[in-house]
Amino acid sequence: QSVLTQPPSASGTPGQRVTISCSGSSSNIGSNTVNWYQQLPGTAPKLLIYSTNQRPSGVPDRLSGSKSGTSASLALSGLQSEDEADYYCAAWDDSLNGYVFGTGTKVTVL
Amino acid sequence: EVQLAESGGGLVQPGGSLRLSCAASGLTLSDHDMAWVRQAPGKGLEWVGRIRNKANNYPTEYAASVKGRFTISRDDSKNSLYLQMNSLKTEDTAVYYCARGSAYYDSNGYFNYYFDYWGQGTLVTVSS
Repeated sequence: QSVLTQPPSASGTPGQRVTISCSGSSSNIGSNTVNWYQQLPGTAPKLLIYSTNQRPSGVPDRLSGSKSGTSASLALSGLQSEDEADYYCAAWDDSLNGYVFGTGTKVTVL
Repeated sequence: EVQLAESGGGLVQPGGSLRLSCAASGLTLSDHDMAWVRQAPGKGLEWVGRIRNKANNYPTEYAASVKGRFTISRDDSKNSLYLQMNSLKTEDTAVYYCARGSAYYDSNGYFNYYFDYWGQGTLVTVSS
């Protein structure tokens, strides 16, 4: 059972802005930084955002991350067809002494 | 270029054992925290556990679901990571990924932990 809760799905038309939420607790998001991963069908996850709001080299700046208290969010601006994928938030959990992933959100570009 | 390549997956009966390997290239494994992450068919990602780097003396940590049954080890001379899985259950059926971790405390005291490189995964099926 995931301790980070995400909406199961999100959608938008090309060019729109889509935001994915990630709800946690004081022992994970409230205490540590948040990461976001993208998983295209049949492939390994890819790091999109680390340390809550940092983008690895090659990730476009139309993707951004933020957090407030025990919740975090990922924003996809200027939605493109290649953004269709599953997205997972994740953070270290001090109570579990382990890394926890969100439940995942499937993004559909209409 | 950093590459991670898992191997060793396959079909195993409940109660059996299997050892997965992850061969690393393009990086010096001893410098890095390494981890295993799994994904059951049609399900989300689940952290299995991690082994810290040489500078931290290689401690391991595991998810509650596998603690006592799975063991993570590494052979830095071979640039390889391993996952020994014993007493396998049907619910262990998943694609298993190895991943390179970055772990540090930032100036605000937050713990930063994330995976910047992943292997392609290897499928483990536990079934009679």
